[in-house]
Amino acid sequence: GAGVSQSPSNKVTEKGKDVELRCDPISGHTALYWYRQSLGQGLEFLIYFQGNSAPDKSGLPSDRFSAERTGGSVSTLTIQRTQQEDSAVYLCASSLVGTSGGSTDTQYFGPGTRLTVL
Amino acid sequence: GENVEQHPSTLSVQEGDSAVIKCTYSDSASNYFPWYKQELGKRPQLIIDIRSNVGEKKDQRIAVTLNKTAKHFSLHITETQPEDSAVYFCAAFNFGNEKLTFGTGTRLTIIP
Repeated sequence: GAGVSQSPSNKVTEKGKDVELRCDPISGHTALYWYRQSLGQGLEFLIYFQGNSAPDKSGLPSDRFSAERTGGSVSTLTIQRTQQEDSAVYLCASSLVGTSGGSTDTQYFGPGTRLTVL
Repeated sequence: GENVEQHPSTLSVQEGDSAVIKCTYSDSASNYFPWYKQELGKRPQLIIDIRSNVGEKKDQRIAVTLNKTAKHFSLHITETQPEDSAVYFCAAFNFGNEKLTFGTGTRLTIIP
């Protein structure tokens, strides 16, 4: 079946503009995750959705970042008043169950959105 | 919170030789340890994972070992091939804060 998809694949924006990044998880996956990967760096956790609720928003870098998920499927990550330090690849992942009984299941990643803030 | 350290940051290995990448974690509450491979410009893909109730897991040329006492886990790739060249990330899932924390990655280069 189809994997995780993200759009756009690339986004170039000017400092101060707002951007919206979209993630379509694997059908039937209840958990959805957003990560940020700066050039040559590891993956930085941003936010996790279980269904439509986000039990953990602790990774969002500032109040300019927000995310929502509707219908237990598509999620959007919004960055307001973008700054140059927001430039990175934003990766979305989904998993079938998420966290349950003190453990977690495999996360499958999308191709990412490369955001460049000029 | 959890802290995952990964070494080395870069590794060059002659084709056919073995490669070993090591990770340590800080919180004994972590119980799931996946390894991801990320080729240039592509998404991370799971290659193997291990849960805290086992000490070793193998899948063809890839193996992972876990030492819960020492809080470290390692990825072993045998008979390396050029297509193994990529960045490899380890991660640890902490059931206390329900978060997957990634290491900083190892760039593996296989020399033909």
